Amino acid sequence: GQQLNQSPQSMFIQEGEDVSMNCTSSSIFNTWLWYKQEPGEGPVLLIALYKAGELTSNGRLTAQFGITRKDSFLNISASIPSDVGIYFCAGPGGSNYKLTFGKGTLLTVNP
Amino acid sequence: GAVVSQHPSWVICKSGTSVKIECRSLDFQATTMFWYRQFPKQSLMLMATSNEGSKATYEQGVEKDKFLINHASLTLSTLTVTSAHPEDSSFYICSASEDLIGGTDTQYFGPGTRLTVL
Repeated sequence: GQQLNQSPQSMFIQEGEDVSMNCTSSSIFNTWLWYKQEPGEGPVLLIALYKAGELTSNGRLTAQFGITRKDSFLNISASIPSDVGIYFCAGPGGSNYKLTFGKGTLLTVNP
Repeated sequence: GAVVSQHPSWVICKSGTSVKIECRSLDFQATTMFWYRQFPKQSLMLMATSNEGSKATYEQGVEKDKFLINHASLTLSTLTVTSAHPEDSSFYICSASEDLIGGTDTQYFGPGTRLTVL
């Protein structure tokens, strides 16, 4: 099956620093999605990318759909304590629009 | 927009009992709903895909007789964990897609249900 490799697994940063995480797949994806999950909550959609090369921002978050359609990155600028959580990349694989998830990047922001 | 709710948010039950979890799309019609399970410090694992008015499609290794899914309307899907055992304790999350086949693949997630089986 399709696999998503997400890195890094975890990050410990100081408030104000920029963060970058990425995701690569073994096959081409037509959509890349980035979610954030806080403890005890469901994932919340941050950014959706639908076109190769697309660069989309959502506040301090920026994500890009790689031109090979096999990778995507998410940047967070000027991190703040509430950015803490697990960030998942996801993409549809196979039929029925099932999503394949990366293993997540745990972000810790020290005030 | 695109809000998905789940009920209950947490449940504790005795081993051998059944538990029903509801997933509702509040402001859109969900052609397809998905049920995931997430163990601590792990990613989401898809259990089944549910289309309104038809039988759910289960992922390999997921027992369809143990995890009963009903998608009776375009805004409601239910997951019933039958004869629950402690190993079924997990965080169950549903998601809903508002697009018809041929559209985009964005899924919106519910807040999850924490199931603890004693």
